[in-house]
Amino acid sequence: AQTVTQSQPEMSVQEAETVTLSCTYDTSESDYYLFWYKQPPSRQMILVIRQEAYKQQNATENRFSVNFQKAAKSFSLKISDSQLGDAAMYFCAYRRTGNMLTFGGGTRLMVKP
Amino acid sequence: DAGVIQSPRHEVTEMGQEVTLRCKPISGHNSLFWYRQTMMRGLELLIYFNNNVPIDDSGMPEDRFSAKMPNASFSTLKIQPSEPRDSAVYFCASSFSLNEQFFGPGTRLTVL
Repeated sequence: AQTVTQSQPEMSVQEAETVTLSCTYDTSESDYYLFWYKQPPSRQMILVIRQEAYKQQNATENRFSVNFQKAAKSFSLKISDSQLGDAAMYFCAYRRTGNMLTFGGGTRLMVKP
Repeated sequence: DAGVIQSPRHEVTEMGQEVTLRCKPISGHNSLFWYRQTMMRGLELLIYFNNNVPIDDSGMPEDRFSAKMPNASFSTLKIQPSEPRDSAVYFCASSFSLNEQFFGPGTRLTVL
């Protein structure tokens, strides 16, 4: 069974600084997708970034980028130039067969002004 | 597009009552997912439909839970009878094939 682990229940970052959220996963598959979702207080789940396992290049979306280490089964999210609106729960997710997502336990990110 | 629509947004009920949660997926999407989010267990997939057919219901906690998708634009998740431990936020998500899942706003269920 696939598992996704986020070892940091909470993280804090100063506005305009950079923060990295950690995620590790366990799988025996070679082809899969990984995602980071953001859940603000509104509860809405918002896709932040996705990574295809067959791609060596790390995905980037504006201020958000990932460090994907396939051999280590690690998938961290880096947020640059943090903004107050980035404060939220962040969930790492693994997509398995049939497009079903397995989520990590989440990391609460606080952004200090 | 209005996105995934869920109703009600909030539901408060008493133990033993039947609860029905509703979901309208994004038009054109052929996959639908029901998730449950609790503090203790995080986000869990309950059931997954593809082309209106249940594909994987291994996450459904017990027989008190049932889900249907009578057509491509509507799905229900029913709990009968409800128990306090069912209190959670229930999310519906939809996608087209293996593309990104779009989540609804969730239904916060409280069972007293």
